[in-house]
Amino acid sequence: QAQLQESGPGLVKPSQTLSLTCIVSGGSISNGNYYWSWIRQPAGKGLEWIGRVYTSGSTNYNPSLKSRVTISVDTSKNQFSLKLSSVTAADTAVYYCARDNGLERFDPWGQGTLVTVSS
Amino acid sequence: QSALTQPASVSGSPGQSITISCTGTSSDVGGYNLVSWYQQHPGKAPKLMIYEGSKRPSGVSNRFSGSKSGNTASLTISGLQAEDDADYYCCSYAGSTTFVLFGGGTKLTVL
Repeated sequence: QAQLQESGPGLVKPSQTLSLTCIVSGGSISNGNYYWSWIRQPAGKGLEWIGRVYTSGSTNYNPSLKSRVTISVDTSKNQFSLKLSSVTAADTAVYYCARDNGLERFDPWGQGTLVTVSS
Repeated sequence: QSALTQPASVSGSPGQSITISCTGTSSDVGGYNLVSWYQQHPGKAPKLMIYEGSKRPSGVSNRFSGSKSGNTASLTISGLQAEDDADYYCCSYAGSTTFVLFGGGTKLTVL
């Protein structure tokens, strides 16, 4: 049973780059035909899909964030990562990583990590 | 592309049934059988309840069911229980440009 755990700084300054990593345990990230997604949720608001990476390294991004997002996979470390550049207060949110079977079946999810953008 | 439309809140008494709607367009909900539903309790990560419109993952109660008519998908919860009190989100594939859309979420209150 795969388990996902997000890690990274909880505080990022405006205009800087937010960087998070999702460590996958309980199985190889390379096994199976899975995508690996990032999803965020501002406090008191709904979910927003950020993007996903396939184990080959190919990516899909939310068009509204595409210019600022990079998602990559490191199969040797069994993890995938998110970089979001030029952040503002609007990027403050709980960031989740999730396994995605490519058919909008997100399961399982990490516990989430709060990232605050503030000087 | 805009988020899928869900009612902000619904409520029901224990034992009753409720339905949460999720309205999109022919470019997302109506165009594919790829709607999923997630349950989220406060401070917790979302949990998959329904995928591909009407399929239940192992371990999810058969009180939860999904359906679709045209551009609107629905989640029905029968025999409401106190633990069903949570937020619910729909999600749909939205084509090869937008890829994934979530609904705005519905707060279910079990009275």
